Amino acid sequence: ETGVTQTPRHLVMGMTNKKSLKCEQHLGHNAMYWYKQSAKKPLELMFVYNFKEQTENNSVPSRFSPECPNSSHLFLHLHTLQPEDSALYLCASSQDRGQGDEKLFFGSGTQLSVL
Amino acid sequence: AQSVAQPEDQVNVAEGNPLTVKCTYSVSGNPYLFWYVQYPNRGLQFLLKYITGDNLVKGSYGFEAEFNKSQTSFHLKKPSALVSDSALYFCAVRPMDSNYQLIWGAGTKLIIKP
Repeated sequence: ETGVTQTPRHLVMGMTNKKSLKCEQHLGHNAMYWYKQSAKKPLELMFVYNFKEQTENNSVPSRFSPECPNSSHLFLHLHTLQPEDSALYLCASSQDRGQGDEKLFFGSGTQLSVL
Repeated sequence: AQSVAQPEDQVNVAEGNPLTVKCTYSVSGNPYLFWYVQYPNRGLQFLLKYITGDNLVKGSYGFEAEFNKSQTSFHLKKPSALVSDSALYFCAVRPMDSNYQLIWGAGTKLIIKP
């Protein structure tokens, strides 16, 4: 295990539902990330938090809403999603020292299906 | 636009043979280079990175990668493949002017046949 836990592992939701993805890291890292993984596509960075402050938002639609209450927990709140949002959502963490060479530790992901 | 290319969607290798997974990039400056592996139903795991120095970098599970500045490539290699190496491999590049943005390749599926 990498020390990054994501729940749930699988989620099926309708387009009008509201759900949340949860991520917890037990590594003492200060940076946490949400990525979207679609088949045969590069990973898409969605959000970055460093010391609980959001530092990156890569033009993600407002139907995705992140929340980082502390350095160990990260949520992704979902509402009125579209079928094209179906993907594997990965959480990652790192010990950001501002040098750019830090490695990421990933959770196993939440496989999201939007019907 | 900055990009990372993994030209092969899939690579098939017989067990015991050497393997190469290719990665080329188009990024300004001298970026940091990474390889990650994703086993089925798992998140990505860090394999190795190149920052500076020796062009041959050694990583986890017997993997190594060769940095070639003139060809802007960072190919992943292993002298003798194992069936357990079968997985999805991602190359990623962090430009020097980036804080958090990694530019990812689309991944290469590696299949090792017994």
